[in-house]
Amino acid sequence: ETGVTQTPRHLVMGMTNKKSLKCEQHLGHNAMYWYKQSAKKPLELMFVYSLEERVENNSVPSRFSPECPNSSHLFLHLHTLQPEDSALYLCASSPLAGGETQYFGPGTRLLVL
Amino acid sequence: GENVEQHPSTLSVQEGDSAVIKCTYSDSASNYFPWYKQELGKRPQLIIDIRSNVGEKKDQRIAVTLNKTAKHFSLHITETQPEDSAVYFCAASHHPGNQFYFGTGTSLTVIP
Repeated sequence: ETGVTQTPRHLVMGMTNKKSLKCEQHLGHNAMYWYKQSAKKPLELMFVYSLEERVENNSVPSRFSPECPNSSHLFLHLHTLQPEDSALYLCASSPLAGGETQYFGPGTRLLVL
Repeated sequence: GENVEQHPSTLSVQEGDSAVIKCTYSDSASNYFPWYKQELGKRPQLIIDIRSNVGEKKDQRIAVTLNKTAKHFSLHITETQPEDSAVYFCAASHHPGNQFYFGTGTSLTVIP
C-alpha cells in the first residue's frame, strides 16, 4: 500500500488560508491525477498530468492550482477555499494517461471552515 | 462527454448469495472499464477491469461482462462474504485519451 502516498491525511483550514496537498508515487508511472470525492457524488476528475504536462483541467475553479514538478510528485495548492470544497481529495497514478489501471493514494480529508 | 450511470446505489445480500452491479455508458469510444472497491476509510482499489475487445473476464469469485452494443457492463460477485462489504465504483475511459468517468457507486452490504 505504499505505491502512492499522500500528505497530509487530514487538513482543516479557514477560507483565507493557503495550504498544499502532496502526492508521491513510487511506481514509475507517467500519468498522475487529482480527484475530488464528495458524499453521494461520483469521483470527480480534476486534473490530469501526463509526463509532467497538464493535459486536462476539468473546469476546476482557480482556487485549486496543481503543480507537477516531476513524474513522481504532484501538488494541489489551495487558497481562498469555500466550505463546499470540503471533501476527500484523492491522487492517483497510472502508467499512461487514459485507458490504464489507476492506483490511488489514501486521500487527504479536507475540511474548510 | 461521457456519462456513466450505476445501479443500484445500495445492495444488501445474504452471505453466500450473488451480487450484481450494473453500469451504462454513453460514449461508444470508451474502451476500458475498470471496477474499484472502496472500503470505509480506505482508498479505491482496482478489483477487475475489462477492455472493449473482450466480452467477459473472470477472476475467482468476481466477473465482469461487457455489452458494447448496449453500452453496459456489469460486475458479478458470487459466493459473497462479509469482507465483500464496501462501495463499488465502475468507470469508463478510453485510450488514447485522458479522461476517466466514474459511476456514483454502489454500497454493498453482505449480511452474515
